[in-house]
Amino acid sequence: DTGVSQDPRHKITKRGQNVTFRCDPISEHNRLYWYRQTLGQGPEFLTYFQNEAQLEKSRLLSDRFSAERPKGSFSTLEIQRTEQGDSAMYLCASSAGSTGAGGELFFGEGSRLTVL
Amino acid sequence: GENVEQHPSTLSVQEGDSAVIKCTYSDSASNYFPWYKQELGKGPQLIIDIRSNVGEKKDQRIAVTLNKTAKHFSLHITETQPEDSAVYFCAASRRGGSQGNLIFGKGTKLSVKP
Repeated sequence: DTGVSQDPRHKITKRGQNVTFRCDPISEHNRLYWYRQTLGQGPEFLTYFQNEAQLEKSRLLSDRFSAERPKGSFSTLEIQRTEQGDSAMYLCASSAGSTGAGGELFFGEGSRLTVL
Repeated sequence: GENVEQHPSTLSVQEGDSAVIKCTYSDSASNYFPWYKQELGKGPQLIIDIRSNVGEKKDQRIAVTLNKTAKHFSLHITETQPEDSAVYFCAASRRGGSQGNLIFGKGTKLSVKP
């Protein structure tokens, strides 16, 4: 399967713990996005990488959230000192867009976080 | 602020009927409008998109229309089938953002009854 893969698919943690999610985009896709989706809502943009550079971050993104894409391939999203409000599905997407028009987003199946 | 409103939140149709989902967006700078289908336990999948220089686009049973003046866009599915049952999201590109920096609506749960 050459789609976007995310790991782990499910994570249950206690409030205050740190969690990390990993995303492997489609090979050679230079654009990578993280979104968050809560029950009954549409996905909410968190951050965007072009290659290894983090170019966009949501104004709503707490300082407890950090994302990296060190070699321009896989990405990690870390949440420190988790809170119950962080419980959500974390979606990763990649695209092969070039400067200007951009391209279709391919989403992974998500990592579901439950904070107790 | 930036916003995309989507209606209805739920839609039930009989197999073979048409389904229409409508969205409005707030920022006139938005220039890209994709529609995504999300099945239970899966990530959203693009089904059709339209850019601001086009008024209508069709792909087999699916069509999208865009009215830039009114800031409305709609998804039309004809000859619905049970496998069309899913949650559908509209989205609009964000002012100043990359093409994948999207503002999503809250979704429409479509049920197609056989």
